[in-house]
Amino acid sequence: QSVLTQPPSASGTPGQRVTISCSGSRFNVGVNTVSWYQHLPGTAPRLLIYDNNRRPSGVPDRFSGSKSVDSASLAISGLQSEDEADYYCAAWDDRLSVVFGGGTKLTVL
Amino acid sequence: QLRLQESGPGLVKPSETLSLTCDISGDSIDTGSHYWAWIRQPPGKGLEWIGAIYYSGVTLYKPSLETRLAMSVDSAKSQFTLKMSAVTVADTAVYFCARSIDNTGFSSPFEKWGQGTLVSVSS
Repeated sequence: QSVLTQPPSASGTPGQRVTISCSGSRFNVGVNTVSWYQHLPGTAPRLLIYDNNRRPSGVPDRFSGSKSVDSASLAISGLQSEDEADYYCAAWDDRLSVVFGGGTKLTVL
Repeated sequence: QLRLQESGPGLVKPSETLSLTCDISGDSIDTGSHYWAWIRQPPGKGLEWIGAIYYSGVTLYKPSLETRLAMSVDSAKSQFTLKMSAVTVADTAVYFCARSIDNTGFSSPFEKWGQGTLVSVSS
């Protein structure tokens, strides 16, 4: 069982806006920043968001992140077929490790 | 352009030691500008952080795995390695190596990842 909690699945139609939640605790999300990764099986995971809401260069501004207390969210606007992938949140846990969510499989209908 | 490539045996017997290498091209491990990590994904499951190392050799391991882990850096070969002893079937996973986005600490997010290598533990 993962330390951070994500919904196992999400879906949307092209052009729609979808959000994926990530719930943690006072040991991780509540006190540290959150990052988000996109992963297509068989490929290298891609960093989408770090420090709660910062995008690395090359990540479209369709992807945005937010955090409130001990929960975080990833929003994808203008959904595209190539956004179909697994999405993971992650944070530093003050019990001395990086922790991940269980992953959310996004389906573009 | 940075490239990370994992390599190692695809099959390891239970109770033996798993050894993996991450070869780095397009960057120098001893600039001290990043941390270098190992992350794994068991079949059908999510990502799990294993541990990380700094160019100086300072390491931090996941507490539940700490007694079985050893990481090292070889700057001359531009690579870092993972050794995990006493493996069981539960250690079967795709193993990724990754580079952090900066050198602020072990908490720094992973900006670059390798493609991953599947390691199966079976007799």
